[in-house]
Formats: sequence, C-alpha cells, structure tokens
Amino acid sequence: EPEVTQTPSHQVTQMGQEVILRCVPISNHLYFYWYRQILGQKVEFLVSFYNNEISEKSEIFDDQFSVERPDGSNFTLKIRSTKLEDSAMYFCASSLLVDSTGELFFGEGSRLTVL
Amino acid sequence: AQSVTQLGSHVSVSEGALVLLRCNYSSSVPPYLFWYVQYPNQGLQLLLKYTSAATLVKGINGFEAEFKKSETSFHLTKPSAHMSDAAEYFCAVSPSGSARQLTFGSGTQLTVLP
Repeated sequence: EPEVTQTPSHQVTQMGQEVILRCVPISNHLYFYWYRQILGQKVEFLVSFYNNEISEKSEIFDDQFSVERPDGSNFTLKIRSTKLEDSAMYFCASSLLVDSTGELFFGEGSRLTVL
Repeated sequence: AQSVTQLGSHVSVSEGALVLLRCNYSSSVPPYLFWYVQYPNQGLQLLLKYTSAATLVKGINGFEAEFKKSETSFHLTKPSAHMSDAAEYFCAVSPSGSARQLTFGSGTQLTVLP
C-alpha cells in the first residue's frame, strides 16, 4: 500500500540552526501539507501546497518557515533559524483531491528537538 | 472559526466492552468532521468522516460515529473493544469540506485492558 514517508524520524539541533525535514508523498497525489504537534498539544495545520506554490498557511508559518518541492518526489519543510519552541513532531501529509473526499494520508512524523 | 473538544484525554475500557470517545465541535458553517487514529510510532490514519450525507458514519475496524447537530457532537463508538484498538484518537473539523485546514482536537488515548 502506498504511503507517505518522512525523514529523519528524529533530529536534534541547536537553537539558531537550519533544519530541513523531508517527505515523500504518495506518487499520484497533488496536494501536500505540513502539520505539527508540540508535545502535549493539538495537531496544528502549518501549510498546504499545490501546483508548486503555497495554497494556504497558518499564523504559525512565519518567515522562518519555507516549503519546497525540489523535484518530482520530495516535499521539504525548512526552518531557517530554529527556536526552542519549534520542538515538535512534524507530520507531512498528501491527498489526491482537495475536497471532502480527499483523504489526507499522513506520514509517521519527524520529531524535532531544539536545544 | 471552528474547533473541536475531546472530553477525556485518557479512556480505559476492558476488552470486549463498549468504546465511547467523545467529540464536540464548534463551527460557524456546516462542518465536515473526521476521526483519525494514531497507533504507536505511526502516522495519523483516517478512521471515518462525516460529509453531510448520512448522519451515522461507519469506518474501518468496526468503528462508527453519529453526527448530532442538536448536540454539536460526533462521538466515536465501537461495540466491542479489542486489544489492537489501543491508540490515540483525534477528532478533527473542517468548515469547508476541504481537508486542507483540519482543526484537530487534543486527542484521547485509549487503553484496552485484558
């Protein structure tokens, strides 16, 4: 069964460092997303991406964040200068459709720890 | 704005007993509602969704949920719990029917006792 894969599964970094989280969405999907979950808190929407551009983003997704689809398979989330409060589990998701029938398929997550 | 509230961050049931996980929503427009499950060390998996068709929605693994507009609820149930149901369950809402901006609840950890 096709699945969304994320790397790394866990990354530890120093505050102020750049981090890139990688995702390989399901191959025929068209819409890509990043969500995050700070420990003990809710899963929060960060950004959605379609046709090589951001379609929606939340307040959390400030100038420190960027997304890119550098090739036909990868979808990356970059945090330019990490802060302590960026420590969270980051989930990538993809969907074939954007409407209610467009089920989101989530990856297993990348845990980011900022020291 | 939309939100969901999950009552009970932890629920324990005995194997074979009824599972009831509560979710109440708030939405300024007719909502689309979802239940996701997260097994240990895995991603979020869609259990079922309500998209304004039938109010009783059946999902995978024997779970179902009923949309009750009068109570603004979308509780998840399963008649008989199995050990493999132990996981974290998330209720989520989307006002437009689009899955782009799901708003998740805080999650309920289900423990199944032998």
